[in-house]
Amino acid sequence: AQSVTQLGSHVSVSEGALVLLRCNYSSSVPPYLFWYVQYPNQGLQLLLKYTTGATLVKGINGFEAEFKKSETSFHLTKPSAHMSDAAEYFCAVTRGTGGGNKLTFGTGTQLKVEL
Amino acid sequence: SAVISQKPSRDICQRGTSLTIQCQVDSQVTMMFWYRQQPGQSLTLIATANQGSEATYESGFVIDKFPISRPNLTFSTLTVSNMSPEDSSIYLCSVEFGGPTPNTEAFFGQGTRLTVV
Repeated sequence: AQSVTQLGSHVSVSEGALVLLRCNYSSSVPPYLFWYVQYPNQGLQLLLKYTTGATLVKGINGFEAEFKKSETSFHLTKPSAHMSDAAEYFCAVTRGTGGGNKLTFGTGTQLKVEL
Repeated sequence: SAVISQKPSRDICQRGTSLTIQCQVDSQVTMMFWYRQQPGQSLTLIATANQGSEATYESGFVIDKFPISRPNLTFSTLTVSNMSPEDSSIYLCSVEFGGPTPNTEAFFGQGTRLTVV
């Protein structure tokens, strides 16, 4: 079975500061990992994903994440926060058994960006 | 990519009634998914809907409570039946392209915010 743990339901940073959102996973098979962002009253949008290959994955809007198998982590970072980054962020893992994108989501982290 | 339209975007319903949520996609897709996002919680998969076959429900979800239709490759409905306040959630439709592999990307509708009073 797969599961995802997001540490910190709320994270607050200053504009221009580093953004770090934490995600740890548990998977009985090699995981495919995703980060999604949800802006208010909108659906989820894919930020980035890790499937195979390079462990440092770059996504949209300047975000990136590094897959660390030894730490079972897939933390999301952005060097400099912008006001427009304020949203809820979800880490997710697939079942990994070829049954389609049955995603298991973490509980989400609400990012607040302050002036 | 895909444009996914959900209707209604929000609704307030009386307990004991039913609500049907529609999901329309601008292109043909093999697999469609329905998720629930309860207040303050993460998204939970309700069921997978493939065209021409019965929906496959996840543990804790049953067809009598959440009947799903998938009449063609661009449309699906989810009905929330005999509603109670515990059904107050955001319901999201999701689709993917490229076949049933974990490597494909899932696209989401904007969600239907349901409040049961």
